[in-house]
Parts: sequence; structure tokens; C-alpha cells
Amino acid sequence: DIQMTQSPSTLSASVGDRVTITCRASQSISSWLAWYQQQPGKAPKLLIYKASILEGGVPSRFSGSGSGTEFTLTISSLQPDDFATYYCQQYKSYYTFGQGTKLDIK
Amino acid sequence: QLQLQESGSGLVRPSQTLSLTCAVSGGSISSGAYSWSWIRQPPGKGLEWIGYIYHTGSTYYNPSLESRVTISIDRSKNQFSLKLSSVTAADTAMYYCARGATAPTHFDYWGQGTVVTVSS
Repeated sequence: DIQMTQSPSTLSASVGDRVTITCRASQSISSWLAWYQQQPGKAPKLLIYKASILEGGVPSRFSGSGSGTEFTLTISSLQPDDFATYYCQQYKSYYTFGQGTKLDIK
Repeated sequence: QLQLQESGSGLVRPSQTLSLTCAVSGGSISSGAYSWSWIRQPPGKGLEWIGYIYHTGSTYYNPSLESRVTISIDRSKNQFSLKLSSVTAADTAMYYCARGATAPTHFDYWGQGTVVTVSS
């Protein structure tokens, strides 16, 4: 099984801040990584796939990078709608998700 | 616009079988380009992929659940279904259906989810 570990588990920030979330894989997954945003009570929403490709309709303040075992999701300037929980997902071998990073208002 | 809608039993007794259906609208489940998955999320916890099915009927399951899971497809009704047998309280979760491209893949469309509680 490929394990995905996100850090931090919780992140406090303010509107306008630049934030970065890290996702590490237990073995190389090349660029087979996606990022999702989940608002409370809602289904996850795809933000980025193949590590760095922005899904259509997703604001350009979201970006992804990395390959192999270490990946990052960056939000360049936080907006009020961005306070949510973020998950990474590997799809190199079956599918596993990180445990999530909750982004809340400082 | 593709839409997925889960439905099924919200309360299941321990040791019984959980049954859910995902109705797909705005697109054909028979398209060869996509896989159709079930994913769950226990209360306050993260996401767990359960398995997926192709329009051909080929299935792939999470090894940790494989012995209890069956996913099937009904092309005439444009829907696919999940059965999870011998449930316990640990199977209590929000269950989502989702679309992926040809595996391996990410999930670009999700249903709103349906809550399943396992309790006597």
C-alpha cells in the first residue's frame, strides 16, 4: 500500500496570506497526484491533477508542484472561500488519500 | 453537466449488507473513457476509496475491503451500485460515488454523498 502523509494537519491563516500544504508518499508515485478541497458537509472538489495541472474553473491562485514522493499545494492569496479541508490523493497504485489538512481562519 | 446522485439504505444493522445506488445523469455510464467509483468518509475522518467499475463490468476493489465488496453496473438505467456485506459500526460513513477517467486517475465529478449508519 502507498501511504500518503499530509502536513500540517491544521493550518491557521488570514485572508491574503500565502499558504503551502505538503503531501508525502511512502514510495515514488511519479506525478500521479491530485488535490481536493472539501467544504463542511460537501463532497470533495477536484483542484489539481497530475501534480500540477489546474482543473478547469479552479482559480489560478491554486497551484501544485512536486514529483516522486514530495508534493505541495500552494494558495497564493487566501480568499474567504478557501477555508476548508484539503486532501491529496495518489493514483499510482490503486487510490489512497492523505489524512487531510484543515485550513482555518487565524 | 454530469451529475451523480447516491441513494439507498441509510440505516443498516450489524452483519447485514449495505446497498447503495449511484444514478448518473448528463452523460452515459457506458462511455469507455471513464471509471465509476465508490469512496467513503467516516465521521470526522479522511477519505477511503472502496472500488470502481468500468462500463464493461470489470471491477477493481480496495484490497482491504475486497472480500466484502461488490460493485455492479446497470447500463439500461445509467447507474451503478455498491454492496458491502457483513457490516460493522466501522462501516458507518458518508458514501460518495465519483467518476474517474480510465484508471489510474483522479476523480472529477462527485455525488453529494449519502450517510449510512450501522446500528442495531
